[in-house]
This record gives sequence, structure tokens and C-alpha cells, in this order.
Amino acid sequence: GQNIDQPTEMTATEGAIVQINCTYQTSGFNGLFWYQQHAGEAPTFLSYNVLDGLEEKGRFSSFLSRSKGYSYLLLKELQMKDSASYLCAVMDSNYQLIWGAGTKLIIKP
Amino acid sequence: GAVVSQHPSWVICKSGTSVKIECRSLDFQATTMFWYRQFPKQSLMLMATSNEGSKATYEQGVEKDKFLINHASLTLSTLTVTSAHPEDSSFYICSARGQGEYQPQHFGDGTRLSIL
Repeated sequence: GQNIDQPTEMTATEGAIVQINCTYQTSGFNGLFWYQQHAGEAPTFLSYNVLDGLEEKGRFSSFLSRSKGYSYLLLKELQMKDSASYLCAVMDSNYQLIWGAGTKLIIKP
Repeated sequence: GAVVSQHPSWVICKSGTSVKIECRSLDFQATTMFWYRQFPKQSLMLMATSNEGSKATYEQGVEKDKFLINHASLTLSTLTVTSAHPEDSSFYICSARGQGEYQPQHFGDGTRLSIL
């Protein structure tokens, strides 16, 4: 079967750095997406990785290792507005997105 | 760029009513649109995928006669919840993807549906 695993909840302090991990087992791989979803709102696109390595976009970076079936989202200089759920999604060989359950990130002052 | 507009954002109606939700891509052509349902504190559940000009592909367990999807143009898809009942109350979210499977999905703001 297809499976995406990410922690249910994480807590971090304002100004700090947090890493949200995602491991996957899918039938084929055509890239991995990270989305941010604030409570009661729709997801917004953060990043897309299809090759191994680190992609940096401002305070957010996303890393991929295809051989390990592993990705992480790194958030630096955390702000209170970063409190949200972060969804990992993998595109399988049929170009279908397989969604993780999301990681709820709580930022404390 | 990549703005998706979804209307209405909130619907409250009586049991037995049919409700139509619109999803529009405002600044790009969406060859594929997706309809999701999300219950509180749960992840997105894909209901169906629609390509412009063709019938929607429904996920297992989703009743196609209950959830009617029309994707008549490259910028508009609609979801009609027919004869809605309280168990249909949920957060419905559409997303749109431009040409190419590797393009990210861009989401509308969602529709909160409450059936009394």
C-alpha cells in the first residue's frame, strides 16, 4: 500500500528552528510537495522537490532523499504566524497526490 | 499568480437542499481540478478529479450521483451536493492544476457546508 508518515504534532519556540520530517512508501515517485494549512483555511503551496537535495526559499527549506524515501521541511526564525499544519504529499507513478495526515506545528513565545 | 477562487465560502441550509460550489482559476488555465473533503483535524480526502471537457473520476466510496462534478471550461469546475443531509456537512476544498502533471495544485479558500 501507499503510505506517508509525518509526526502528528510538534512544538517550537518563536525565533527557533524546527524540522518536520516526512517518510513515504509509494508506487512510483514523481515528486514531493509541502503545503501549509492554517486552521479553517485551505492549504497553500510551499515547495516541490523531485531531485535529491535541499531547496531553499527564504525562511523555509525542503530536503529530499529518494533512496531513503525521506523529506523534511525546515523552518527558520520561527514566527507566531507559522503556527499551522504542514502537509506532505507525494505524487505517485499515476501522477496522483498521496497526502500525509499533516503535522500540527505549535509556536510558543 | 495561480489564484483559485471558490464560492461560496460558507453555506447553511436545510436537509434535502442541493448546494452548488464553484471553483475558478483566475489567472491560469486549469486542465485538471480536484475536489477534496476535510473533516476537523483530519487530512484532505480526495473526492474526485476532473479534466476539462470530460467526466470526473471519482475515488472509491464517493457517490457520483450524490456529488455531481462539471468541468465545462479551463477555468471553471462546479461541485453540486444533491439532496444534502447532515452527514454531508464538511469543509469542501477545490484545487486546480495547470498544464503538466508536475505542476503544484493551487487551492481555493474552501467552502464550509452545514446541513441542518
